[in-house]
Amino acid sequence: QVQLQESGPGLVKPSETLSLTCTVSGGSISSYYWSWIRQSPGKGLEWIGYIYSSGSTTYNPSLKSRVTISVDTSNNQFSLKLTSVTAADTAVYYCARGQQFLGKVPFDYWGQGTLVTVSS
Amino acid sequence: DIQMTQSPSSLSASVGDRVTITCRASQGITNYLAWFQQKPGKAPKSLIYAASSLQSGVPSKFSGSGSGTDFTLTISSLQPEDFATYYCQQYYTYPYTFGQGTKLSI
Repeated sequence: QVQLQESGPGLVKPSETLSLTCTVSGGSISSYYWSWIRQSPGKGLEWIGYIYSSGSTTYNPSLKSRVTISVDTSNNQFSLKLTSVTAADTAVYYCARGQQFLGKVPFDYWGQGTLVTVSS
Repeated sequence: DIQMTQSPSSLSASVGDRVTITCRASQGITNYLAWFQQKPGKAPKSLIYAASSLQSGVPSKFSGSGSGTDFTLTISSLQPEDFATYYCQQYYTYPYTFGQGTKLSI
């Protein structure tokens, strides 16, 4: 059974960088797409972007200037960095796996989520 | 961005009922539509992809249909564990976008 687990600081100061890691267990990180999604009361569910196991990335244009997603295949992990955070970035952050099907990439497995609060 | 609109936003039903939730896309997405279930404080659970294909392990009481811009999720024979919030999501084009959710209450 594939499991994903997010980790990282739960509190980040405004203007600083939010950094999270997702550790994948029960399966390989290779040949899949790995996404970050966030959920806040104000904006609902928002897809941040994904990385393929080879390292190619696609980001949500609304966040693209501040987002970097990277992958560490040797440790079965991938990571999110979001720079210059504000209170609007306060949310529960989820990692999720996507598998290509008919040329597109639906999600199948999700992590439990981690709450990140932006506050001084 | 493609806007996903679910209706109703909330729905009350009883154990044993059959319910249908609707999702409408602001433009055609062929069948690149997924449905998720989320319980309070928990991660979303993937139920359906490609509008009507069940994810592995999801019971057949869940069914999806539709194509283009209009989609439905039907849940038959409601059980207490089915009361949750349901979301649709398009993965036809970037950025992927989600509906606002339908809260199914007992």
